[in-house]
Amino acid sequence: AQKITQTQPGMFVQEKEAVTLDCTYDTSDQSYGLFWYKQPSSGEMIFLIYQGSYDEQNATEGRYSLNFQKARKSANLVISASQLGDSAMYFCAMRGMNYGGSQGNLIFGKGTKLSVKP
Amino acid sequence: KAGVTQTPRYLIKTRGQQVTLSCSPISGHRSVSWYQQTPGQGLQFLFEYFSETQRNKGNFPGRFSGRQFSNSRSEMNVSTLELGDSALYLCASSLGGIANTEAFFGQGTRLTVV
Repeated sequence: AQKITQTQPGMFVQEKEAVTLDCTYDTSDQSYGLFWYKQPSSGEMIFLIYQGSYDEQNATEGRYSLNFQKARKSANLVISASQLGDSAMYFCAMRGMNYGGSQGNLIFGKGTKLSVKP
Repeated sequence: KAGVTQTPRYLIKTRGQQVTLSCSPISGHRSVSWYQQTPGQGLQFLFEYFSETQRNKGNFPGRFSGRQFSNSRSEMNVSTLELGDSALYLCASSLGGIANTEAFFGQGTRLTVV
């Protein structure tokens, strides 16, 4: 069975500092994708970054980078230079492949609530 | 390029009623997936539609159903509403082919059942 584990229910970070949000996953699929989403209090699920299981380079998108360690099955999100607007829930998710080769559904972790202090 | 659009944003219904939620995916995306988010259960997969066919289904009762139209817009229907159906319903849009690609969400529909 596929599973995502986020062990940090809540985290604090000082404005302008970097922060790492942990995510480990479990899957038997050879091909899968790893995702990070930000959900502010408004409820919208904002896509941040994606890493494919066969991608050799770690994904980066602006201030976001994904530290992908395949052997350890971890996909940590690093946010550099935190801003007050980064305060939100952050969800790690994974999507494997269905039998038949099509993409499967997203499996989410329980999330990490990040609070940025001024 | 327009994002994923969900309507309505907020909805209040009475137990026993039915409700229909709508999701318009990003242009060119053929896969629409629906998720339910509650404080207790977190984010749970409802179903996925691709090219007007339900391709994948989560573990929800038959009261939850959906469909997809030829323009890839999708609707989700919940019949005989229960208090426990109160949740944020999110839809995700992606290309949907054999390759795993990004998935983008709409702003969600917040359903309250009273």
